Amino acid sequence: EVQLVESGGGLVQPGGSLRLSCSASGFTFNNYAMHWVRQAPGKGLEYVSGISSNGGSTYYADSVKGRFTISRDNPENTLYLQMSSLRREDTAVYFCAGWHSSSSYWGQGTLVTVSS
Amino acid sequence: QSALTQPASVSGSPGQSITISCTGTSSDVGYYNYVSWYQQHPGKAPKLMIYDVSNRPSGISDRFSGSKSGNTASLTISGLQAEDEADYYCSSYTSITTLEVFGGGTKLTVL
Repeated sequence: EVQLVESGGGLVQPGGSLRLSCSASGFTFNNYAMHWVRQAPGKGLEYVSGISSNGGSTYYADSVKGRFTISRDNPENTLYLQMSSLRREDTAVYFCAGWHSSSSYWGQGTLVTVSS
Repeated sequence: QSALTQPASVSGSPGQSITISCTGTSSDVGYYNYVSWYQQHPGKAPKLMIYDVSNRPSGISDRFSGSKSGNTASLTISGLQAEDEADYYCSSYTSITTLEVFGGGTKLTVL
């Protein structure tokens, strides 16, 4: 059974930092590009960041570029998102996901709340 | 990066068909045949319904179909059922900076 389990979310003050983790199992993690997608309360999906299967290429939405860093540890089957200089508008559920052709794997998400 | 454009809401009665549009640009929907459609129920993760414009993953009902013309992709759901009521999102590969761009989402109401 495929599982993606996010962790690390929580309440953080504006300007603070947080690191999200996503533990993967049940599929060949190092064959997939992986992604972070977020959803603000009551809003739609927003692509945040992606990383190639070997970690050699990374991609960021303009809204997080320079503040967020995506990385992965293939031997540990884990995806990370280091978030810094957090803003109130970063408040959202953060989903870890991997997709290729007909395969699409999503975690249940972890809530990040940026508030004083 | 601008999101793909979807109608905010659509509705239909059980048994009817509905179509949701997704308009992008020549840098995403119009150029690549990598359009996907996701269904999301409240509090749940998105579920892939269509990939590569018109293909259904294993286990997805053939009541769901996808197509594309120019910069606009479409999702059609035929024989509407109560359980189809959900939010639907399109996405596309984009050549502009990020790997993927999503639509704003469409809330489907089954009357």
